[in-house]
Amino acid sequence: EADIYQTPRYLVIGTGKKITLECSQTMGHDKMYWYQQDPGMELHLIHYSYGVNSTEKGDLSSESTVSRIRTEHFPLTLESARPSHTSQYLCASSEGSFSGNTIYFGEGSWLTVV
Amino acid sequence: GNSVTQMEGPVTLSEEAFLTINCTYTATGYPSLFWYVQYPGEGLQLLLKATKADDKGSNKGFEATYRKETTSFHLEKGSVQVSDSAVYFCALGRSGNTPLVFGKGTRLSVIA
Repeated sequence: EADIYQTPRYLVIGTGKKITLECSQTMGHDKMYWYQQDPGMELHLIHYSYGVNSTEKGDLSSESTVSRIRTEHFPLTLESARPSHTSQYLCASSEGSFSGNTIYFGEGSWLTVV
Repeated sequence: GNSVTQMEGPVTLSEEAFLTINCTYTATGYPSLFWYVQYPGEGLQLLLKATKADDKGSNKGFEATYRKETTSFHLEKGSVQVSDSAVYFCALGRSGNTPLVFGKGTRLSVIA
């Protein structure tokens, strides 16, 4: 059982609002990730982190930003939400090598911007 | 760069049918290969993995063999259940110190 938590699970907000999606893991993993999952199911890596004070942009350009001040915490922020940001956002973590070790996913945050 | 291609869905099967979901890859070197599964309303979880050529990963009745000669990692199960209904993602490691590449996902629906 993975110990990675995302809040809120569901959020409906108005255009122009600032939102932060929270992600915490209790496994002490150094690597953390944010994926955006579209209705067609495809996963898009939007941000990742090697460890504290490290953040990198992923494959899909995103207007969101992330921070990694503590090992266990990797919040994602949208300064001004738009309807195009409506999606599911999945947080994940892993330890050690990117390519060889299991990635643990949270249950996702469903964001709807109206 | 490294990439994966998996068969498009949706795939609809009757209970106890045989399942194959195709996954082929393009890669430099010998990356690890993975299958992840996403049940409705949940995040992804690792189903199985293989770290070198000819390795067979298996879990919950699912199997996949790392085939270097055909650059494939097809997922199979001999007899599917309704509870196997989910989205399945093939993934592989990339060269360099960067995250996994995921396929586009294949939705499986099993009907009783």
